[in-house]
Amino acid sequence: DAGVIQSPRHEVTEMGQEVTLRCKPISGHNSLFWYRQTMMRGLELLIYFNNNVPIDDSGMPEDRFSAKMPNASFSTLKIQPSEPRDSAVYFCASSYGQSPTEAFFGQGTRLTVV
Amino acid sequence: GENVEQHPSTLSVQEGDSAVIKCTYSDSASNYFPWYKQELGKGPQLIIDIRSNVGEKKDQRIAVTLNKTAKHFSLHITETQPEDSAVYFCAAEVTGGGNKLTFGTGTQLKVEL
Repeated sequence: DAGVIQSPRHEVTEMGQEVTLRCKPISGHNSLFWYRQTMMRGLELLIYFNNNVPIDDSGMPEDRFSAKMPNASFSTLKIQPSEPRDSAVYFCASSYGQSPTEAFFGQGTRLTVV
Repeated sequence: GENVEQHPSTLSVQEGDSAVIKCTYSDSASNYFPWYKQELGKGPQLIIDIRSNVGEKKDQRIAVTLNKTAKHFSLHITETQPEDSAVYFCAAEVTGGGNKLTFGTGTQLKVEL
């Protein structure tokens, strides 16, 4: 398996623009997580899905952030409108089975909002 | 909610020496404690984990210890090598909490030749 695949790897956008980050989890995994990593705040869980259903979105910072998982093999994290403080590395991770199990992380998307 | 503190934030050791990273957690219901290694430009990768019914676990040069009473756990790396240089994160999870991990702030480990 190719692991968790995220796209794009790098994204530079202007403030106010819409940004969409994409994730393909490992086939067969039933949980998917979106994390944000910054120097100041470290790794923060934004939202996670179980069997394509959002379970906990308490980490989503504002209404400008939204996430979807239309099927078991695809998820998106959207920021609209984007702001400079959204600049960070966004990771998607997936896992299989009942908690606790290993979470496999993608390579991340480095987002820069100018 | 759970709060995980990690120390030190940076650690520099000579090749061959041991490295120890310590974490404390706040939620006594947490019972799964993984450690992740993150290399530059990559996502975190699990290197070892421990569950609350075990006090120590070892895998070759790495070991993790857990003290549930004191709510702290540690990562020990022996005979460090340059390829051990990376950022290490501890994390805690409540079993049945939906695989929801709370991460520490990370330790930048540098192994010098």
